[in-house]
Amino acid sequence: EAEVAQSPRYKITEKSQAVAFWCDPISGHATLYWYRQILGQGPELLVQFQDESVVDDSQLPKDRFSAERLKGVDSTLKIQPAELGDSAMYLCASSLRVAHEQYFGPGTRLTVT
Amino acid sequence: GEDVEQSLFLSVREGDSSVINCTYTDSSSTYLYWYKQEPGAGLQLLTYIFSNMDMKQDQRLTVLLNKKDKHLSLRIADTQTGDSAIYFCAETASARQLTFGSGTQLTVLP
Repeated sequence: EAEVAQSPRYKITEKSQAVAFWCDPISGHATLYWYRQILGQGPELLVQFQDESVVDDSQLPKDRFSAERLKGVDSTLKIQPAELGDSAMYLCASSLRVAHEQYFGPGTRLTVT
Repeated sequence: GEDVEQSLFLSVREGDSSVINCTYTDSSSTYLYWYKQEPGAGLQLLTYIFSNMDMKQDQRLTVLLNKKDKHLSLRIADTQTGDSAIYFCAETASARQLTFGSGTQLTVLP
């Protein structure tokens, strides 16, 4: 069964350092999403791609976060510099149709010390 | 804006049925979803229902939708210890981004 791949699974970094997460969506899924999930809450959308284009980044803190999907396949989310409040689970998801039937990867648990 | 509410906790005995409830505010919601999240893992899509349906059954799972009251429920028959997890309700309308509830922690007692 096809799955969304993410790496690393866990990341510990110090405040002010840079950190990057990688996501490989299910083959053929044109829409890719990055979510942030704080403990005890549901996921919140950070950025949404349609192929290589950003279609929604209204919730992305653009002063420190950036995301790219250069060839319309895999994607990287970067935080620079990391802050203590960035500690969370970062989830990637993909879908065939926009917003519908999203499939999630295992996530990256980020701890900022 | 859109809002999705769920109760935080539910405990059931193994073998009993579980019913997890969700309410939402957006009357234009077109798809409503149930996701399952086990500790330290991503979200697993369990099932979804289109807004013109009032019930959907998939093996042990039954989804009921009351569109008038904007109420969605997930019934798990013969609940097992492996069903212990957090269950998220989510909705979307017209390709708008998914809005998730805060999740219901289901604990299955032996």
